[in-house]
Amino acid sequence: AQTVTQSQPEMSVQEAETVTLSCTYDTSESDYYLFWYKQPPSRQMILVIRQEAYKQQNATENRFSVNFQKAAKSFSLKISDSQLGDAAMYFCAYRSTNAGKSTFGDGTTLTVKP
Amino acid sequence: EPEVTQTPSHQVTQMGQEVILRCVPISNHLYFYWYRQILGQKVEFLVSFYNNEISEKSEIFDDQFSVERPDGSNFTLKIRSTKLEDSAMYFCASRLSGEQFFGPGTRLTVL
Repeated sequence: AQTVTQSQPEMSVQEAETVTLSCTYDTSESDYYLFWYKQPPSRQMILVIRQEAYKQQNATENRFSVNFQKAAKSFSLKISDSQLGDAAMYFCAYRSTNAGKSTFGDGTTLTVKP
Repeated sequence: EPEVTQTPSHQVTQMGQEVILRCVPISNHLYFYWYRQILGQKVEFLVSFYNNEISEKSEIFDDQFSVERPDGSNFTLKIRSTKLEDSAMYFCASRLSGEQFFGPGTRLTVL
């Protein structure tokens, strides 16, 4: 079974600075998707960024980018120019291309200090 | 932009009562899911549904749970006899391919 590990329960960053959230996963599959979701206090799950495992190029969405290391099974999220609105819980998730379900990590609570 | 909707946003029920949580997935999506998140914990998979049948379910999804897509638009999760430990946020999700799109969730409180 696939597992997703987020080793940082809490992180904090100064506004306008850069922060990196870590995620590792375990799988025997070669083709899969990886996601980062943001969960603000409203508890809605908001997709931040996705990465297909077959793509070597790291995904980027505005201030959000990932460092995908397939061999190391690592998928970190970098948030540049952090804003107060970035404060939330962030979940890393894995989804096999065969199976439909997503497997989530335990989450990292990000605090942004003004 | 199309989105997944869920009703109600908050449901309070007495232990032992039946509850039905409703979801309207994005209209052209084919795969449907329920997840739950106990407060402060990770998001856990409950069940996936495709082609009018369950395609996968977790060990959490026991005989007290059932899902249905009664009319081609709604996707429901029924809990027959709620327990205190069923108190959680329940998320519906749907996808066509690639990522799942999540609804805003229903907060279920069992007293």
